[in-house]
Amino acid sequence: QVQLQESGPGLVKPSQTLSLTCSVSGGFISDVDYYWSWLRQPAGKGLQWIGRIQISGRTTYNPSLKSRVTMSVDTSRSQFSLKLSSVTAADTAVYYCAKLENWGLDWYFDLWGRGTLVIVSS
Amino acid sequence: QSVLTQPPSVSGAPGQRVTISCSGSSSNIGAGYDVHWYQQVPGTAPKVLIYGNNNRPSGVPDRFSGSKSGTSASLAITGLQAEDEADYYCQSYDSSPSSYVFGTGTKVTVL
Repeated sequence: QVQLQESGPGLVKPSQTLSLTCSVSGGFISDVDYYWSWLRQPAGKGLQWIGRIQISGRTTYNPSLKSRVTMSVDTSRSQFSLKLSSVTAADTAVYYCAKLENWGLDWYFDLWGRGTLVIVSS
Repeated sequence: QSVLTQPPSVSGAPGQRVTISCSGSSSNIGAGYDVHWYQQVPGTAPKVLIYGNNNRPSGVPDRFSGSKSGTSASLAITGLQAEDEADYYCQSYDSSPSSYVFGTGTKVTVL
């Protein structure tokens, strides 16, 4: 059964780069039919999609965050990663990694990690 | 950045039926993109409840059902149970700008 687990620093200083890794167990990361994604949720607020990546390395980012986001994948380690640069307090949130499942011409998030809280503060 | 609008809260007594609306526009739901629904118990990750407008993953009770019409969608919970207390989010795709988008979220309270 596929499981996802986020890891990374829980505290990042303003203007620095937030770096998170999602470890995928179950061997699905190499499946070319899947997209792997990052999302976030500020405390008490709704969900925001950050971006997605395929094992080919092809990425698509949320236009509102595109200038600061970089995603990568390491199939040998069954991991994919997120880097968000020039962070501010507004980037404080629980960050989730998730798997996108295809449904016709659409996609939905069928598996989620437990989430990891990242606080941006000096 | 939510572009899909949901009521902040809905409530009902055990056994009752409640519905949650999700209002979009011509660039997302109205453009033909499917709507998916997630349940999030506070402190935990979201879990998919309905995908492709009206399909339930295995393990999701048939008390949950979804529908879509025009630029809106709805989630219905029949036979409301205490364990249904959670936050619910709709999700779709928006072509302008190209992005997966979520609803504002609805808190369901069982009275």
